Amino acid sequence: DVVLTQSPLSLPVTLGQSASISCRSSQSLVYSDGNTYLNWFQQRPGQAPRRLIYKVSKRDSGVPDRFSGSGSGTDFTLMISRVEAEDVGVYYCMQGTYWPWTFGQGTKVENK
Amino acid sequence: EVQLLESGGGLVRPGGSLRLSCVASGFTFSTYRMHWLRQTPGKGLESVAGISADGGDDFYAGSVRGRFTISRDNSKNTLYLQMGSLTTDDMAIYYCAREDNFGTSDYWGQGTLVTVSS
Repeated sequence: DVVLTQSPLSLPVTLGQSASISCRSSQSLVYSDGNTYLNWFQQRPGQAPRRLIYKVSKRDSGVPDRFSGSGSGTDFTLMISRVEAEDVGVYYCMQGTYWPWTFGQGTKVENK
Repeated sequence: EVQLLESGGGLVRPGGSLRLSCVASGFTFSTYRMHWLRQTPGKGLESVAGISADGGDDFYAGSVRGRFTISRDNSKNTLYLQMGSLTTDDMAIYYCAREDNFGTSDYWGQGTLVTVSS
């Protein structure tokens, strides 16, 4: 199975500042159709995961533009600019290029 | 509005069986692949099983293959997961999720908790 490694695992942030989460894959996530199926999810306490970003950099409907994704091949980044209180939670990268889908360990973003 | 509502979780003894259900609404269920995923504090998020839109193809994570069966009834807009030979490693919150055209899950249910204990 593809292993996704996130860093850091804990990220204390000052509201209004930026936050960056890294996700590295054990193999390239480029699919045979040329697309890269790397996604980012947010999970708030007591809630199901919610997808924020799909195919590396495309924001889902309703996701604020302070969330952005980037990267290619095996290295990916989620950036949150101007962190707000509602952004506190755990963030996961997830690959859909290979079955089974696999997830990173999660990065806990908390208010410093 | 897309909604996925899981049910069927509960307490089961090791070696026992359980069937989970997920009722879908707000979209044309019969045109989407569907999945079961699970989450534990120790192992995090994991794919469990997936099924094609017409139910003709199914696929499983290695840890559950041969013990779990995913199925669907498109006339009832319902997804199922039949779980057997349960162990404590199967204890988790189980989510059903819809797979969108971008190859990942865009909507998840709220989950149902499965506890395996004697």
